[in-house]
Amino acid sequence: DIQMIQSPSSLSASVGDRVTITCRPSQNIGSYLNWYQQKPGKAPKLLIYAASSLQSGVPSRFSGSGSGTDFTLTISSLQPEDFATYYCQQSYSTPIFTFGPGTKVDIK
Amino acid sequence: EVHLVESGGGLVQPGGSLRLSCAASGFTVSGNYMSWVRQAPGKGLEWVSVIYSDDRTYYADSVKGRFTISRHNSENTLLLQMNSLRADDTAVYYCARADSSGYYYGYWGQGTLVTVSS
Repeated sequence: DIQMIQSPSSLSASVGDRVTITCRPSQNIGSYLNWYQQKPGKAPKLLIYAASSLQSGVPSRFSGSGSGTDFTLTISSLQPEDFATYYCQQSYSTPIFTFGPGTKVDIK
Repeated sequence: EVHLVESGGGLVQPGGSLRLSCAASGFTVSGNYMSWVRQAPGKGLEWVSVIYSDDRTYYADSVKGRFTISRHNSENTLLLQMNSLRADDTAVYYCARADSSGYYYGYWGQGTLVTVSS
């Protein structure tokens, strides 16, 4: 099974900060990497698919990059509504889509 | 507009059974890859099961042999029959629809809480 490692597990940041979250799968997954945002008590929301494609309706301050075993989610200027937990997910080893353990972004 | 609404969660004793439903609108369940994903309290997301449009089904090892995913096409509903429930099955269960390629979940329900406890 493909294991997903996310770092950091949590971070504190201020509004306006540039935030970077890393996801490293245990094997090469090409570009089969997606990013989700989850707020407390809510369902996950797709932000980025296929490593770097922005989901419709998602603000352009979110971007994704990477391939193989090294991926990054970047928030260029953190907004108050961005404080949430972020999960990466691999879709290389269908049908089993493994999620990363999550990165919680909270207010400094 | 796509909507997914889960129901059927609740409190059940260890060893018991529960059936979850996910009512869909705005698309047909039978024509899409549909999954269940769960989240234990305070924990991360765990993929549980998927049913493809050609009726193939797959399960996480943690639920294989105990859970069954299916569809009720006339009611446009996704189902999850959960048997032999254990304490570690306690979680919010989300249904999710994959995109047409089947590689990411663009639509999620609001979730239904299953608590397994005596």
